[in-house]
Amino acid sequence: KQEVTQIPAALSVPEGENLVLNCSFTDSAIYNLQWFRQDPGKGLTSLLLIQSSQREQTSGRLNASLDKSSGRSTLYIAASQPGDSATYLCAVRPGTGNQFYFGTGTSLTVIP
Amino acid sequence: EAGVVQSPRYKIIEKKQPVAFWCNPISGHNTLYWYLQNLGQGPELLIRYENEEAVDDSQLPKDRFSAERLKGVDSTLKIQPAELGDSAVYLCASSEQGDTQYFGPGTRLTVL
Repeated sequence: KQEVTQIPAALSVPEGENLVLNCSFTDSAIYNLQWFRQDPGKGLTSLLLIQSSQREQTSGRLNASLDKSSGRSTLYIAASQPGDSATYLCAVRPGTGNQFYFGTGTSLTVIP
Repeated sequence: EAGVVQSPRYKIIEKKQPVAFWCNPISGHNTLYWYLQNLGQGPELLIRYENEEAVDDSQLPKDRFSAERLKGVDSTLKIQPAELGDSAVYLCASSEQGDTQYFGPGTRLTVL
């Protein structure tokens, strides 16, 4: 079974800082990896999806990278804003099957 | 385009009572997922449907949980009888062929 770990569990940064969130997984035979954002009391919003053949994906101030061989993905957020405050989760889809395995998330607070 | 719709948003019941959650996925999405999310944790898959077929229900506690997706569109998840430990957020998601998942807002269940 795929194990997904996210470190740190919580992160607090001043507005304007660039930051990196980490996701690691135990089985490198993945199909894709997805980063989500979750606001308190809300469902998950998809941010970026990286296919196993890709190294990175970008959307606005967000950049996600994937290193399958080391079992790692990072989510880079540039010029952080208070509106970026949320919990960020990564989810890994294995090479077989359509199930996604989620990490426990990183709770981000951006201080104005 | 309408997103994934879930109802109710909140439900409070006494233990041993039955409860049902409803989900309507995004139109055209053949894959539907039910997840359970405990506080501070990532979502955990309960059941996954490909059209009307349940293809992954290994994590569903079948003694008290049941689900159906009769026409391959909307789905219902039921718990009977509910236990205190079932208090959590129940999330529904849908996707096309297992790619980007789109989540509903979730149903927050409190069992007293």
